[in-house]
Amino acid sequence: DAGVIQSPRHEVTEMGQEVTLRCKPISGHNSLFWYRQTMMRGLELLIYFNNNVPIDDSGMPEDRFSAKMPNASFSTLKIQPSEPRDSAVYFCASSLARFNYGYTFGSGTRLTVV
Amino acid sequence: AQSVTQPDIHITVSEGASLELRCNYSYGATPYLFWYVQSPGQGLQLLLKYFSGDTLVQGIKGFEAEFKRSQSSFNLRKPSVHWSDAAEYFCAVGASNTDKLIFGTGTRLQVFP
Repeated sequence: DAGVIQSPRHEVTEMGQEVTLRCKPISGHNSLFWYRQTMMRGLELLIYFNNNVPIDDSGMPEDRFSAKMPNASFSTLKIQPSEPRDSAVYFCASSLARFNYGYTFGSGTRLTVV
Repeated sequence: AQSVTQPDIHITVSEGASLELRCNYSYGATPYLFWYVQSPGQGLQLLLKYFSGDTLVQGIKGFEAEFKRSQSSFNLRKPSVHWSDAAEYFCAVGASNTDKLIFGTGTRLQVFP
């Protein structure tokens, strides 16, 4: 199994541009989570999906952020327009049968907005 | 709502020494508890988890953790640390009625040869 795959690994963009982060969860996992990691705020849960349906998006910082999961094997996190304060590492994680087996994390996307 | 506190931001130990990383949680019912490790530039890897039963749980890489309900703690231990254990360690708590995990702020472990 290739694990949770995130792309790109690194993204540098200019303020105001649209950014799309991608995630492929482990096949068969039915829950998917997007986290953001910064020095100041640590790991924050942004949104999670269960069976492709968004369950809790209370962590999404503002309307500039949106996430979709069109099918069981793909999810995107979009920021439009991006701002320097969005610079962080964004992690995707997936799990089977809720978290009984623990989340499996991707390697993350390091986003820098200049 | 559940929460997690990791009191130690940074710990330094010598290789071969024993290790204990502290984790305190807040949750009204029996929590689901996890320890994860993050190496530089990598995602988080699950070390071990506790749901119920034996309060001493064994994990990968020689780590163990003990659940103490009376102290609301789930401390991570290793009898002899290796240089490769240098990383950041995160404690996390979940509840029975949600898929969400709440992570602590992490403890950075530095190992001296």
